[in-house]
Amino acid sequence: EADIYQTPRYLVIGTGKKITLECSQTMGHDKMYWYQQDPGMELHLIHYSYGVNSTEKGDLSSESTVSRIRTEHFPLTLESARPSHTSQYLCASSDPRRGGETQYFGPGTRLLVL
Amino acid sequence: DAKTTQPPSMDCAEGRAANLPCNHSTISGNEYVYWYRQIHSQGPQYIIHGLKNNETNEMASLIITEDRKSSTLILPHATLRDTAVYYCISMNNNAGNMLTFGGGTRLMVKP
Repeated sequence: EADIYQTPRYLVIGTGKKITLECSQTMGHDKMYWYQQDPGMELHLIHYSYGVNSTEKGDLSSESTVSRIRTEHFPLTLESARPSHTSQYLCASSDPRRGGETQYFGPGTRLLVL
Repeated sequence: DAKTTQPPSMDCAEGRAANLPCNHSTISGNEYVYWYRQIHSQGPQYIIHGLKNNETNEMASLIITEDRKSSTLILPHATLRDTAVYYCISMNNNAGNMLTFGGGTRLMVKP
């Protein structure tokens, strides 16, 4: 089992609030990722990081920002939440082994913006 | 990265083998085939991956055709807890390439 954690698991918040979704992993993985997934829909990559001080935007445009100050920590921030941000946010980290890039996912954060 | 095609849904009887097909006819020589699954509302779970040889681990077996244009994930004795969406993804391991999750196959294991 992978040691990757996300908090909070569920969050209900009002429009305009600033929120930070936490993601931590204890496996020492350099690569970390954030995905967004609406119910019953596909996962979309919104941010990723190759390591400390590295952040990149993913395939899906997102108003969120990320930071990577420590290897184990990859928080995602929404400066001003809107109802359109309502979704599930999944964090992952990867382990290059046997020539592959296996990603381990956290349990996700379900965000509801009222 | 090559696209993959999977049936949208499948049923399997509990205790029987579940064989999930995936077509990746445009796969290139250095692209791996990855399988993940997502049980309702949880984060995706890695299952197995391979390049050209068949692979087996404690969860499943992966059979890749000789021409690498298709593969089959086999769950040898499906249980109700195997009900999930199964994603087949092809990707090479160049820095900067990312997993692209498609629609997957919704496997329903029935008692």
